[in-house]
Amino acid sequence: DGGITQSPKYLFRKEGQNVTLSCEQNLNHDAMYWYRQDPGQGLRLIYYSQIVNDFQKGDIAEGYSVSREKKESFPLTVTSAQKNPTAFYLCASSMTGGYGYTFGSGTRLTVV
Amino acid sequence: QKEVEQNSGPLSVPEGAIASLNCTYSDRGSQSFFWYRQYSGKSPELIMSIYSNGDKEDGRFTAQLNKASQYVSLLIRDSQPSDSATYLCAVLVGGTASKLTFGTGTRLQVTL
Repeated sequence: DGGITQSPKYLFRKEGQNVTLSCEQNLNHDAMYWYRQDPGQGLRLIYYSQIVNDFQKGDIAEGYSVSREKKESFPLTVTSAQKNPTAFYLCASSMTGGYGYTFGSGTRLTVV
Repeated sequence: QKEVEQNSGPLSVPEGAIASLNCTYSDRGSQSFFWYRQYSGKSPELIMSIYSNGDKEDGRFTAQLNKASQYVSLLIRDSQPSDSATYLCAVLVGGTASKLTFGTGTRLQVTL
């Protein structure tokens, strides 16, 4: 079945540590996105990519980095520069041209 | 002014009633509109999309779009306790291909 897979489901980060969240899709979608959701708040865009080897910053890119080396994969690295990383991270993909997103199941990141 | 605005709720309706969820947006160039349902602790799920003025029905759900007034609404008929969730309105803002802007969501509670 086609879908979008995020891993791990839960992740714990120590202070000063970089962590990478995985996002893989087999929907043949060109565009992929990373959002952050804090309790009781909406989705905030971190990074997005509409084509392989190209990506753009969203509204809250500071402290995060991404790569898009393959169409299927869009990993997100939460760096030590991100001072408040505890949140629910959602990866999504879509066809280009104004279509809705398909979301992965999310990764819940906690700083310990 | 936020780009996409929703009443945070909670909106409480009795089982079997019609739930009406509203969303306004600021960019007149917006072309595509979506409703997502998000259960607590889960990722958003696309339930309706609408692209032109008027109504679009899918089962118990009806999406309504009025571009002149810049609002989009979602009606849920015969509300069930399983409809209790947060409903996110998302808008494709004009000029930003395939990048959705989300509202903060309306929490719906369907009571027995």
